[in-house]
Amino acid sequence: QVQLVESGGGVVQPGRSRRLSCAASGFTFSSHSIHWVRQAPGKGLEWVAYISFDGSNKLSADSVKGRFTISRDDSKTTVYLQMNSLRIEDTAIYYCARGQGPYSDQDAFDFWGQGTMVTVSS
Amino acid sequence: DIQMTQSPSTLSASVGDRVTITCRASQSINTWLAWYQQKPGKAPKLLIYEASSLETGVPSRFSGSGSGTEFTLTISSLQPDDFATYYCQQYNSYSPFTFGPGTKVDIK
Repeated sequence: QVQLVESGGGVVQPGRSRRLSCAASGFTFSSHSIHWVRQAPGKGLEWVAYISFDGSNKLSADSVKGRFTISRDDSKTTVYLQMNSLRIEDTAIYYCARGQGPYSDQDAFDFWGQGTMVTVSS
Repeated sequence: DIQMTQSPSTLSASVGDRVTITCRASQSINTWLAWYQQKPGKAPKLLIYEASSLETGVPSRFSGSGSGTEFTLTISSLQPDDFATYYCQQYNSYSPFTFGPGTKVDIK
């Protein structure tokens, strides 16, 4: 069965860095785009970043552009979110989600991980 | 960027009620719209994609309609398991994949 498992969350000081991982299993990883979506405490969903099925296209929200970088390692069926220069307002649960695909980048998100909490605090 | 709005923000309803949630896009997104259900402490769940296609395993009491800029999610007969927050999301343009602010459906 399709599984996405996030890890790497925790408490981090403002201005520091953190890398999140999304380990995928149960499907042909290289055929699907992967997204990161976050949810601040008590707030709605905010799309953060996307990487295409072949890694050739990457996009990020304006709120994280220049600070967050998405990447994928197909050999490890894992997607990463490198978060630099973290701010208080980056505090959220971070979910990874799979694009329906396959071989498409214009998709709804059909499977989600359970999320990992990132708290930015001094 | 495309902006998404939803109405109402909160909806109080009873089991058995027919419930309709509206989502509007700031510009045409054709039918590139999805609906998600989220319960407290859980990840979102895909209900509807391409505005009206029911995701596998989702009960048929859920339906979606619309195109262009106006969309609706309808629950034909609200069940106890349906009390949750619902989000629309556009995926017409690659940047960004915008979510609506959400509609909380609670018990009347």
